[in-house]
Amino acid sequence: GENVEQHPSTLSVQEGDSAVIKCTYSDSASNYFPWYKQELGKRPQLIIDIRSNVGEKKDQRIAVTLNKTAKHFSLHITETQPEDSAVYFCAARFSGGYQKVTFGTGTKLQVIP
Amino acid sequence: IAGITQAPTSQILAAGRRMTLRCTQDMRHNAMYWYRQDLGLGLRLIHYSNTAGTTGKGEVPDGYSVSRANTDDFPLTLASAVPSQTSVYFCASSDSGQGGEQFFGPGTRLTVL
Repeated sequence: GENVEQHPSTLSVQEGDSAVIKCTYSDSASNYFPWYKQELGKRPQLIIDIRSNVGEKKDQRIAVTLNKTAKHFSLHITETQPEDSAVYFCAARFSGGYQKVTFGTGTKLQVIP
Repeated sequence: IAGITQAPTSQILAAGRRMTLRCTQDMRHNAMYWYRQDLGLGLRLIHYSNTAGTTGKGEVPDGYSVSRANTDDFPLTLASAVPSQTSVYFCASSDSGQGGEQFFGPGTRLTVL
């Protein structure tokens, strides 16, 4: 099955700086890569996603890049704000399973004011 | 109901007892999922259902069972709870179309003593 590795497990940045979270996946046929944000005590919520026919996607301060050859994708948050503090999960859609996604182990991001 | 709901919010359970976690969605999504979330391990898929009447095993299915009698409901049953099943349980659903986004319920915090 699909295996998704995520790094780092924790990340602290100063407010205004950029944060980068990296993930690798094992199944070269995976074609959908979402990122979820989970605030403390809340449910995970989708913040951005990318499909295998696109190399980069941006949404305001958030961007995701995908390198299919290397089988890795990254989340970039620019001009970080305290409200960006949360746990972020990457995921990859397992091509052999209908709509199933495999999640990374999460990155706890702390933005220091 | 708007979206996806879970019940109960939290539960303390004696080992050996039977417990059913409830999940209901009103978005007419075909696919539904059960995850458990443990510190450092991210979200791990327990069982899933592609459509009403069908279910499948995820990454950690042992000790759990599910049923999908209709589109809206996807209960998760622990036949005989053990302390290692102490976790936060999230139900999720997704459209069968190209979207792929999973919508999560608010979670159930289960403690097995």
